[in-house]
Amino acid sequence: DTAVSQTPKYLVTQMGNDKSIKCEQNLGHDTMYWYKQDSKKFLKIMFSYNNKELIINETVPNRFSPKSPDKAHLNLHINSLELGDSAVYFCASSQGNRVRETQYFGPGTRLLVL
Amino acid sequence: RKEVEQDPGPFNVPEGATVAFNCTYSNSASQSFFWYRQDCRKEPKLLMSVYSSGNEDGRFTAQLNRASQYISLLIRDSKLSDSATYLCVVNPSGTYKYIFGTGTRLKVLA
Repeated sequence: DTAVSQTPKYLVTQMGNDKSIKCEQNLGHDTMYWYKQDSKKFLKIMFSYNNKELIINETVPNRFSPKSPDKAHLNLHINSLELGDSAVYFCASSQGNRVRETQYFGPGTRLLVL
Repeated sequence: RKEVEQDPGPFNVPEGATVAFNCTYSNSASQSFFWYRQDCRKEPKLLMSVYSSGNEDGRFTAQLNRASQYISLLIRDSKLSDSATYLCVVNPSGTYKYIFGTGTRLKVLA
């Protein structure tokens, strides 16, 4: 069974479109995250939710809107896609904010904006 | 100064060699430290947590130096399968924000 799953794995779309990426975890974790990994391979946190509550919102354009319908799901909706949004988006989860907490990552969604 | 800094490499080493990477962090209050491994076009996966006393897992040894604010990863008897990018991760105490370094790329050569 996949612990953290994301759909779709690949997403190719035109500039200006709106798209969503879905994430689900079956680990019973309380905390979920979205990360962006750009072409230079730098992994940067975008958002974090704990028990459906937004707890981290990094400097991200407001075209990006996360939604957590329940503890096991964290979706990412992106409006008016731009070329610079092309990247790999990783979802992750962890039990909580205890010391030595491990994050489990999904396989990533490769987004290409043309 | 970046919050977490790593030498991007690549470190090219022959099979069987010992290789070490360092990672420096800027927040002296940081409590949790990790090494993750990321293979090409894959997700990061936990390699090991880093404890104050240092810890070892097979061929891998992680150390923490709080005074100088760095963590290290030592890989002994390198295997071809160790070729990957090694990400240093720091979790400042009291936050949910994990800060990733840019990674150190290792290539083990036959």
